[in-house]
Amino acid sequence: AGVSQSPRYKVAKRGQDVALRCDPISGHVSLFWYQQALGQGPQFIFQYYEEEERQRGNFPDRFSGHQFPNYSSELNVNALLLGDSALYLCASSPAGTSGETQYFGPGTRLLVL
Amino acid sequence: AQSVTQLGSHVSVSEGALVLLRCNYSSSVPPYRFWYVQYPNQGLQLLLKYTSAATLVKGINGFEAEFKKSETSFHLTKPSAHMSDAAEYFCAVILYSGAGSYQLTFGKGTKLSVIP
Repeated sequence: AGVSQSPRYKVAKRGQDVALRCDPISGHVSLFWYQQALGQGPQFIFQYYEEEERQRGNFPDRFSGHQFPNYSSELNVNALLLGDSALYLCASSPAGTSGETQYFGPGTRLLVL
Repeated sequence: AQSVTQLGSHVSVSEGALVLLRCNYSSSVPPYRFWYVQYPNQGLQLLLKYTSAATLVKGINGFEAEFKKSETSFHLTKPSAHMSDAAEYFCAVILYSGAGSYQLTFGKGTKLSVIP
C-alpha cells in the first residue's frame, strides 16, 4: 500500500484549526509535508523523523505537526487564513535514507471559507 | 537559494507527437534531479530520478530525461504522446540541507494537453 492521507477533502472556516493525517508506506520512517497552492508546485513545510521536526521550510508557526511512534504524522494548521486553501501533500521515505527519494500520498484538499 | 524554472506553464501536443518539457535549475552543484507527474485530484508520482553520471535516464511510461550538467537543465521527453499522458508535470531538485536531511525544491509545473 502507498502513502495514505485523511481526510481527502476538508472545508473549514477562517480562524478555525484543522488537523490532517498521513500514514506512510510500511517501513518508511521520514515524513515530509508540502503545501501546493492552485497553479503552483509543492512548497516544503517540514520534515519529521524519529518523532522530531528535523527541518522546516518558510512557513509560520501556525503550521505545526507531530509524528507518532508508528511513524504516522499529523499536520496542524491553526487560526486558518483564506490563503491556507491548498492541497496538502505528505511524502514518506524509507529507513536508511535521508529523504532523497520521496513517495507522495494523494493529498488533502483544504478549503478555507 | 536554489530555484527551479519550468519553461511553459502549458504545453499542447498532438497524439503521437514528441513531448518535450523543459526545466532549468540554478545550482552550480549538481543535485539529485527528479520529474514527477500529477494526474487530476491525485498526488505526485515519481516519473524518473537522476542520481548518477549518466546523461540519459529512462523513467516510467516511456519518458526519459537527458541531463546536461554544463547547461544546468534536464528536459523530459517522450517520443510519441498518448492521450493518457495528459497531466501536470513537475521537475524538482534536491539539495542536502544539513542534519542528514534533504530538501526537495519544485518547479511550478507544466500542464500537458494531448490533442487527439
